[in-house]
Amino acid sequence: EAGVVQSPRYKIIEKKQPVAFWCNPISGHNTLYWYRQNLGQGPELLIRYENEEAVDDSQLPKDRFSAERLKGVDSTLKIQPAELGDSAVYLCASSLEQGVSTDTQYFGPGTRLTVL
Amino acid sequence: EDQVTQSPEALRLQEGESSSLNCSYTVSGLRGLFWYRQDPGKGPEFLFTLYSAGEEKEKERLKATLTKKESFLHITAPKPEDSATYLCAVQTDRGSTLGRLYFGRGTQLTVWP
Repeated sequence: EAGVVQSPRYKIIEKKQPVAFWCNPISGHNTLYWYRQNLGQGPELLIRYENEEAVDDSQLPKDRFSAERLKGVDSTLKIQPAELGDSAVYLCASSLEQGVSTDTQYFGPGTRLTVL
Repeated sequence: EDQVTQSPEALRLQEGESSSLNCSYTVSGLRGLFWYRQDPGKGPEFLFTLYSAGEEKEKERLKATLTKKESFLHITAPKPEDSATYLCAVQTDRGSTLGRLYFGRGTQLTVWP
């Protein structure tokens, strides 16, 4: 079974430029997450989708970050414009569903963003 | 405020030298505690989920335990391939943040031959 797929794996941009990350979750997983991981830190949640609906986006910096999950499968995370402090690894994860059970989140390999 | 603290930050072991990693947490309403392994340049890889105090789970040389305040990841007779960063995360039962994982900073384990 294929895992969570992310692209690109690496991205280098200059500040003020836009950037987008793409994620394809594990087949059949209804819940999708975007996390940001700074160097030497654990991942921090940016946004959580259940199907097409963003149900937890309280930690997404909405002035420059946006996300979408059309048709409840693939998702795109965008930053516009990028700032130096956005340099980090952006991780996508998916789980079967959220509800009464605690579902395991499976992570993709991440996109390493460097903002110059 | 929910907090997850892992110790030590880094640990160097000789092959075969058993040890334990600690994850202490302060959350209101624990739904689950997760252990992940992360290799350089890769995403976290799921290891275990623990739900209640007293629970234990094992996988090869790893054994995870849970109390009401902390979790331990015991590594028995480690091998160089066990070298990685081990991340602990908790999930709370609060409706507004249901599903959100709160991660610690991780313990970077190095096992040398």
